[in-house]
Amino acid sequence: QSVLTQPPSVSGAPGQRVTISCTGGSSNIGTGYTVNWYQQLPGAAPKLLIYGNFNRPSGVPDRFSGSKSGTSASLAITGLQAGDEADYYCQSYDISLSGNWVFGGGTKLTVL
Amino acid sequence: EVQLVESGGGLVQPGGSLRLSCAASGFTFSNYWMIWVRQAPGKGLEWVANIKQDGSEKKYVDSVKGRFTFSRDNAKNSLYLQMNSLRAEDTAVYYCARRIAETNTGGYFDSWGQGALVTVSS
Repeated sequence: QSVLTQPPSVSGAPGQRVTISCTGGSSNIGTGYTVNWYQQLPGAAPKLLIYGNFNRPSGVPDRFSGSKSGTSASLAITGLQAGDEADYYCQSYDISLSGNWVFGGGTKLTVL
Repeated sequence: EVQLVESGGGLVQPGGSLRLSCAASGFTFSNYWMIWVRQAPGKGLEWVANIKQDGSEKKYVDSVKGRFTFSRDNAKNSLYLQMNSLRAEDTAVYYCARRIAETNTGGYFDSWGQGALVTVSS
């Protein structure tokens, strides 16, 4: 059971827009710690996609965008492409107990 | 270009030990917090350990406390994860990554290695 909750899967047709939600609580996203998103292509290491809730590292297309509100965050992908098919993870910091960096369980994006 | 290359993975029996290494290049290694993250087969990501630039502060996920030791050698641009008393549930791909943050909390992981597979089985 992950501290951050994501839907196990989402899907969309090429060119469409999809969103992936990430729900936390008062000890993590709700504290003000930022949410970050990672893309993991099949068989590859994770790659930073969004940091600081909505910032894109250089090289990440503006088709990817992040937002945060209260204890939740979202990743939106517009203009879906076959190459976007991957697992997506949200991540934040949790102040409960000893304090840990926490991830969502991951969302598998299928491009139909 | 930032590069992180893990090594040292393999098959080990329950109760055994293994040491992972991570060689860093392409950036000023001693300026950054570093971490290990693991991913069990078919599962999600789990943060394992964190180390300060000079090695003076370390933090571990509860499930590995007392069994794993995270260290670094800034002269060699290298990280090490000494894993003792290994259990079947430690089976995973272990990634080293660079953490971007100013303190021992928060931040994000901007560069990742390719991972090293650790299998704990008899």
